[in-house]
Amino acid sequence: NAGVMQNPRHLVRRRGQEARLRCSPMKGHSHVYWYRQLPEEGLKFMVYLQKENIIDESGMPKERFSAEFPKEGPSILRIQQVVRGDSAAYFCASSPLPGQASVANEKLFFGSGTQLSVL
Amino acid sequence: GENVEQHPSTLSVQEGDSAVIKCTYSDSASNYFPWYKQELGKRPQLIIDIRSNVGEKKDQRIAVTLNKTAKHFSLHITETQPEDSAVYFCAAKGRALTFGSGTRLQVQP
Repeated sequence: NAGVMQNPRHLVRRRGQEARLRCSPMKGHSHVYWYRQLPEEGLKFMVYLQKENIIDESGMPKERFSAEFPKEGPSILRIQQVVRGDSAAYFCASSPLPGQASVANEKLFFGSGTQLSVL
Repeated sequence: GENVEQHPSTLSVQEGDSAVIKCTYSDSASNYFPWYKQELGKRPQLIIDIRSNVGEKKDQRIAVTLNKTAKHFSLHITETQPEDSAVYFCAAKGRALTFGSGTRLQVQP
C-alpha cells in the first residue's frame, strides 16, 4: 500500500497563475480531505470529498478555489489567479469509510503535502 | 462548526519527564479524537486516537484521556525522549476533522 500520494511536492507559481495540486488516496479509501497549513500554524480544514461528490466545502474560500474527486483519477485542488497569501503547505488526507462505528474507519492518513510558493 | 482549543502552545521538558497537552472542543456531536505528531517539513502522523465511548487509551509511553461531559481530552507522554520533540496536534471529528493550533514540544537531553 503506497499510502496517500500527493504531487507535486513543491510548486512555484507567479501571481495570477493557476495552481493544480493532486492527491491519490490510499488504496481502498473513498474519502479525501484537503487541509492548508501556514508556517508555524495548525491545519485548517478546506474541503471534504468522496468520489464525484463534495461533502463539505465550508473551509474553502468561495472565490478562486475549487476541488474535485472524479470517478477515475486523483483528487484535484485548483487555485486560480494565485496571490502571495496562498503560499502554504497543502495536505491531503484519506479515510476508508467515515461515519461507521469503528475507530479504524475514522482514521485519516496524510500525504506528504504540496508546498506552494507564490512569487 | 467545531472549535478546538489546545494548550500550551509550547512545552519544554527534561528528558525522562512527563508531558501533558490539553484540548477542549465545542461540538458535543464530535465522537472521534485523534492526536498527530508533525516533525519539521513532514506530514502529520497519527500517534493515538480515541472514540467517545472510551474514557482512556494507552499505547506504551503515550496515553489519551477523554472527558466527554466537560468536552476536553488530553495527551500524556511519559519518559520523554529527545525524539519526541515535534509539534503535536489534537483534533475532534464531527463531520470533518478540526485541529487544534498545535503544541511545540521540546525535550531537553
